[in-house]
Amino acid sequence: DTAVSQTPKYLVTQMGNDKSIKCEQNLGHDTMYWYKQDSKKFLKIMFSYNNKELIINETVPNRFSPKSPDKAHLNLHINSLELGDSAVYFCASSFFRDSNTEAFFGQGTRLTVV
Amino acid sequence: DAKTTQPPSMDCAEGRAANLPCNHSTISGNEYVYWYRQIHSQGPQYIIHGLKNNETNEMASLIITEDRKSSTLILPHATLRDTAVYYCIVDNNNDMRFGAGTRLTVKP
Repeated sequence: DTAVSQTPKYLVTQMGNDKSIKCEQNLGHDTMYWYKQDSKKFLKIMFSYNNKELIINETVPNRFSPKSPDKAHLNLHINSLELGDSAVYFCASSFFRDSNTEAFFGQGTRLTVV
Repeated sequence: DAKTTQPPSMDCAEGRAANLPCNHSTISGNEYVYWYRQIHSQGPQYIIHGLKNNETNEMASLIITEDRKSSTLILPHATLRDTAVYYCIVDNNNDMRFGAGTRLTVKP
């Protein structure tokens, strides 16, 4: 069983469209994250949720809206897609810890906006 | 922004130990040092972490200096499959911020 799974793995869409990326974890973790890795390969944290509550919200355009229906899911909805949104998006999960446990990452969703 | 500094790239001969350094001079007392790696474009993979003491697991060893301002990840017998970007992160309270990492190339 995949610990952190993202769907879809690849997503090609036109500018202006709205799209969602889904993430699910079966590890019993209570904290989930979204990261963006751009063409320069920098991994930047976008959001993190603990028990469905937002705890980190970096400077991300309002077009990006995370949604956490339960602790096991954190979906990323993107409105009005732009060329600059093209990147690989990684979901991750961990325990809201005393900094003594690791995070597990999904395999990524490669988003291409044309 | 990341709180760590790593060399951008390193080479290592297959079968030899790979020693990857990391500087984290502003680390605070309750922050752990984590190491992850990313092979090609896969999701980052956890390797090891520590607070003060040196740590070892089946993948690697982590040596943390006494003042905790730097650390070294050791892959004791590097293989070609260890070629990856290695990230050193200091983390407290679920705020994992990645730097540019070190691109380790293991050569035959």
